[in-house]
Amino acid sequence: AQTVTQSQPEMSVQEAETVTLSCTYDTSENNYYLFWYKQPPSRQMILVIRQEAYKQQNATENRFSVNFQKAAKSFSLKISDSQLGDTAMYFCAFMRPSGATNKLIFGTGTLLAVQP
Amino acid sequence: GAGVSQSPSNKVTEKGKDVELRCDPISGHTALYWYRQSLGQGLEFLIYFQGNSAPDKSGLPSDRFSAERTGGSVSTLTIQRTQQEDSAVYLCASSSTGVTDTQYFGPGTRLTVL
Repeated sequence: AQTVTQSQPEMSVQEAETVTLSCTYDTSENNYYLFWYKQPPSRQMILVIRQEAYKQQNATENRFSVNFQKAAKSFSLKISDSQLGDTAMYFCAFMRPSGATNKLIFGTGTLLAVQP
Repeated sequence: GAGVSQSPSNKVTEKGKDVELRCDPISGHTALYWYRQSLGQGLEFLIYFQGNSAPDKSGLPSDRFSAERTGGSVSTLTIQRTQQEDSAVYLCASSSTGVTDTQYFGPGTRLTVL
């Protein structure tokens, strides 16, 4: 069974600085997808970034980028130029695509606080 | 609609009562998921619908939980004889085809069982 581990329950960063959130996963699959979702106090889960395992290039979305290390089964999220609006719970998630259910397996989350 | 919508936003009920939670997916999305977010269990998958196929109910925690999807669109999650451990946020997500497409989430329903 696949598992996702986020070892940092809480993190804090000053506005405009850079922060990295860690995520490791365990799987025997070769083809899979990894995601970072953000959940602000409004509860809405918002997709931040997505990475296909077959792609060697790290995904980037504006201030958000990942460091995907397939051999090490590591998928960290880097947030550059942190903004107050980045304050939220961040979840790392794994998905194994199949012909049936493509459910997401989530980590326990990292609560990020951006300080002014 | 523009996004996934869920109702009610919050629901408070008494132990032993039945509740119904509603999810309206993004128009045109064929895949629909229910997840539960609780303090003790984190985020866990409950059930999956894809088009007209039989749903994957493997994540439902007990036979008190059931869900249906009418006309391939709106879904209702029903919890019978609610227990205090059912208190959680219930999240619905939809995706275009369900295979490799990104899941988009609704705002969730916070259920509190007294």
